[in-house]
Amino acid sequence: LAKTTQPISMDSYEGQEVNITCSHNNIATNDYITWYQQFPSQGPRFIIQGYKTKVTNEVASLFIPADRKSSTLSLPRVSLSDTAVYYCLAPGKSTFGDGTTLTVKP
Amino acid sequence: DVKVTQSSRYLVKRTGEKVFLECVQDMDHENMFWYRQDPGLGLRLIYFSYDVKMKEKGDIPEGYSVSREKKERFSLILESASTNQTSMYLCASSPSTGAYEQYFGPGTRLTVT
Repeated sequence: LAKTTQPISMDSYEGQEVNITCSHNNIATNDYITWYQQFPSQGPRFIIQGYKTKVTNEVASLFIPADRKSSTLSLPRVSLSDTAVYYCLAPGKSTFGDGTTLTVKP
Repeated sequence: DVKVTQSSRYLVKRTGEKVFLECVQDMDHENMFWYRQDPGLGLRLIYFSYDVKMKEKGDIPEGYSVSREKKERFSLILESASTNQTSMYLCASSPSTGAYEQYFGPGTRLTVT
């Protein structure tokens, strides 16, 4: 099963841009890369997905280089409510990594 | 909106009991998943299913089995519950092709005493 690797934790301040990078090993040719957000006592919630280059939605941007061995989630101007665990997932027959705990400070 | 429901939010069982965790999705998704989540260990895949009566093992299938008799329902079974199976259990579903966005249920917090 494909597995992802992310930093365990990151700290930021309100209003800053946060970039979280994920490494994917053995990602399949046709796999999309998806990112999820999880708050305590809730199931993960989908944020964004992409296959290559750059994808942007109202919440975040996702950057994927040509070799697709990594991806970077970019959260613009974070607020306190963005404090959560963020997971990347190379789906299909894959499993979540350990996630990155983002703490946004005032 | 996609809805994934799980039969219980909280469950307390005794060691040795047979436990059934039920998951139902309403979007006709082919794929369904069962994860467990423990502090500091992220989400670990137990089993997944691509179709009715199909199942594949994830990272930690030991002590668990699954059943998928209907497309919308995916059951996780603990044949003989043990205290090390105390955990948060999360069910998810996703479409079979193209993008694989997974939709998660609210989770079941199982305590085995």
